[in-house]
Amino acid sequence: QSVLTQPPSVSAAPGQKVTISCSGSSSNIGNNYVSWYQQLPGTAPKLLIYENNKRPSGIPDRFSGSKSGTSATLGITGLQTGDEADFYCGTWDSSLSAVVFGGGTKLTVL
Amino acid sequence: QVQLQESGPGLVKPSETLSLTCAVSGYSITSGYYWGWIRQSPGKGLEWIGSIYHSGSTYYNPSLKSRVTISVDTSKNQFSLKLSSVTAADTAVYYCARLLGGSYAFGYWGQGTLVTVSS
Repeated sequence: QSVLTQPPSVSAAPGQKVTISCSGSSSNIGNNYVSWYQQLPGTAPKLLIYENNKRPSGIPDRFSGSKSGTSATLGITGLQTGDEADFYCGTWDSSLSAVVFGGGTKLTVL
Repeated sequence: QVQLQESGPGLVKPSETLSLTCAVSGYSITSGYYWGWIRQSPGKGLEWIGSIYHSGSTYYNPSLKSRVTISVDTSKNQFSLKLSSVTAADTAVYYCARLLGGSYAFGYWGQGTLVTVSS
């Protein structure tokens, strides 16, 4: 059971938009920055979003992040088949004194 | 460009110690930032193991703290993980990574190395 809760799967058609939620508590998301990672099959995770809504160099603006209270959301617009991957949210948990991750969400582009 | 590469035995016997090294290129560990280890059991999610600063300051996942040691060798520009008393539950792909700053976001990752615990 992960500290952060994500839906196991989401799906959408090519060209459409999808959002992935990440729910936590005041000890983690509520008071710390959230990051998002994309893990393509058989590869290492790749940072998509940090500090809730910032994109590292090279990440297209199709990917966006937001946070409200104890929840965070990753948005992906203009879906491509190459976006099919597992997505993870992560943050610091002040009560656990640990970096924590969500259980992951599998994106299927139909 | 920062690059990280994990190395170490791919097979470890139960009750023994898992040892991995992460070689860093394109950036000097002594220049700053925290470095860390994350693992992923087959078909499962990500689990943070712990992190270290170039000064040697460490912090570990409380659930693994009693078995984990992370150290840094600045002369070789690498850092290492030791996990003692391993069981089959420690079978996972182990990644080394570098934090992006103060936000606990891992901006650079190694390719990962699979470690299987089996007799």
